[in-house]
Amino acid sequence: QKEVEQNSGPLSVPEGAIASLNCTYSDRGSQSFFWYRQYSGKSPELIMSIYSNGDKEDGRFTAQLNKASQYVSLLIRDSQPSDSATYLCAVHINTDKLIFGTGTRLQVFP
Amino acid sequence: GEEVAQTPKHLVRGEGQKAKLYCAPIKGHSYVFWYQQVLKNEFKFLISFQNENVFDETGMPKERFSAKCLPNSPCSLEIQATKLEDSAVYFCASSSLMTGWNTEAFFGQGTRLTVV
Repeated sequence: QKEVEQNSGPLSVPEGAIASLNCTYSDRGSQSFFWYRQYSGKSPELIMSIYSNGDKEDGRFTAQLNKASQYVSLLIRDSQPSDSATYLCAVHINTDKLIFGTGTRLQVFP
Repeated sequence: GEEVAQTPKHLVRGEGQKAKLYCAPIKGHSYVFWYQQVLKNEFKFLISFQNENVFDETGMPKERFSAKCLPNSPCSLEIQATKLEDSAVYFCASSSLMTGWNTEAFFGQGTRLTVV
């Protein structure tokens, strides 16, 4: 089992819809969780971080963490074509490594 | 500096040649990470440093890859005798802390290595 798993996609959603991106992790002791966005040919940039169970909202983005089920998700409301990118989930696991999932490619079509 | 600086941006090597990549972390950041991103966006952890000490090297291919972070010098990732499958973008990231909170990593622009 990989330490951090994501569906590679592509996930296609129409403009204005909610995009839901999911990530599961194997280390139950993980404490910090991050979502990075990577545009094609660019470096990843941090868009959300979450540390405790529940929801964290920032503009159109909501991160959700469920430690009991070991998953973290990212919701993007009112999706725009400019949101089309690869979204990387990163987890700070118990052995002090920052592990990335393979990324989910999101396509928002007009 | 205020950003992670990676050089060169592009590197082309013939199979069997040596490749050396450099990374200058953000000033004041103690932790440096190297990742390899091959096609289809798979992001693979290679190695991390805490200052000049190796923090975690479990992702490093032992035989041909080596890395250093020396005081007052950019960190480096060296690949001896490159192979075609080493073609990838190599990202460096730095972070100020590696405890539960604030593990945010900032990325450089990457070095695209092409082995021909």
